[in-house]
Amino acid sequence: QLQLQESGPGLVKPSETLPLTCTVSGGSISSTSHYWAWIRQSPGKGLEWIGSIYYSGTTYYNPSLKSRLTISVDTSKDQFSLKLSSVTAADTAVYHCASQLYSPNSYIDVWGKGTTVTVSS
Amino acid sequence: EIVLTQSPGTLSLSPGERATLSCRASQSISSSFLAWYQQNFGQAPRLLIYATSNRATGIPDRFSGSGSGTDFTLTISRLEPEDFAVYYCQQYDLSPTFGQGTKVEIK
Repeated sequence: QLQLQESGPGLVKPSETLPLTCTVSGGSISSTSHYWAWIRQSPGKGLEWIGSIYYSGTTYYNPSLKSRLTISVDTSKDQFSLKLSSVTAADTAVYHCASQLYSPNSYIDVWGKGTTVTVSS
Repeated sequence: EIVLTQSPGTLSLSPGERATLSCRASQSISSSFLAWYQQNFGQAPRLLIYATSNRATGIPDRFSGSGSGTDFTLTISRLEPEDFAVYYCQQYDLSPTFGQGTKVEIK
């Protein structure tokens, strides 16, 4: 079945850019049924949808993060990625990649286990 | 943005009891675009219910969802030991947002 695995640095310095990658297995990232999402979870803000991407490259961003956010897809590697610039301590969270069915406005049918990111000097 | 408020924050119950969890939206959610997730400590959330009342694949029938408009409910008919966890609701009528969670703990 579909599985997602996040990878990236566990520690990022303030003002730098956070890069994360999600590898999709057990299915194709070029599926026409799925959108691929990033969601983060922190004690202060709870669960927060960051943004989503379709295999074609069309992106959908949370307005509160849009100015700092880039999500991209590499269909040849079955991967999609997140870059969040100018990070602060408020960006410290567990970052999950996930899949959504049929729409970027949809429920999450499969979650990655998540990767903990700490923003600190 | 649609804000979801879950209540209670914590529910203390015994195995075998019935759990009723509430999720209230700041504005009406059209077409019942509401989901529920279960999260155990240190794990990712797991989809339980989508479209208000549809159980996800493999979810036992002791879990049920109901509601419409701004008021939604997740009911666990008889709590099993593995059901003690945190539960979140999520709306997907507009850009997805989540409730803050209800913890179901052993009394």
